[in-house]
Amino acid sequence: EDQVTQSPEALRLQEGESSSLNCSYTVSGLRGLFWYRQDPGKGPEFLFTLYSAGEEKEKERLKATLTKKESFLHITAPKPEDSATYLCAVNTGFQKLVFGTGTRLLVSP
Amino acid sequence: DGGITQSPKYLFRKEGQNVTLSCEQNLNHDAMYWYRQDPGQGLRLIYYSQIVNDFQKGDIAEGYSVSREKKESFPLTVTSAQKNPTAFYLCASSREGQPQHFGDGTRLSIL
Repeated sequence: EDQVTQSPEALRLQEGESSSLNCSYTVSGLRGLFWYRQDPGKGPEFLFTLYSAGEEKEKERLKATLTKKESFLHITAPKPEDSATYLCAVNTGFQKLVFGTGTRLLVSP
Repeated sequence: DGGITQSPKYLFRKEGQNVTLSCEQNLNHDAMYWYRQDPGQGLRLIYYSQIVNDFQKGDIAEGYSVSREKKESFPLTVTSAQKNPTAFYLCASSREGQPQHFGDGTRLSIL
């Protein structure tokens, strides 16, 4: 069974304190791994797609990396506006996504 | 601006009642999806459609129905057979091989 596990469930950082979120997956055939950001009461907002081990993508303070078993979302010098839930999902075929339960990030000033 | 519009933002259902959630997109995407989000759980796929007049069941289709009569529209009906309908419902759309983009959801509660 295809499965996506995110850790930690929640993370509290001080402004400027860098950290990483983890997404581990077991799928029969990976056709893309996606990171989304979700604010309370809103739909997920697309951040990155990764397709192969070793691939990296960057956007402002965020960098996503991919290995054969997991992906990391690195947050460098976070700001309070980075506070959100970060969701990881894998494409298992026919554009069907399997989502993790997310990591709730709170960045305090 | 192009995007996905879900309405209403909040919806209340009485016992034995069917309710319909609207999803409209002007992105010219072929594929559309409905997900359910519950606290502490990942998004779960209810139904998806890759082309007009065709749709497939997702992982939790029981108690739900959909139609896809137009490319832009993919309404979801929550029927009285769905015994635990309280959740946040999200609609998404995508082009083939591209990431899914989401609307801002409808929160459904039971009266």
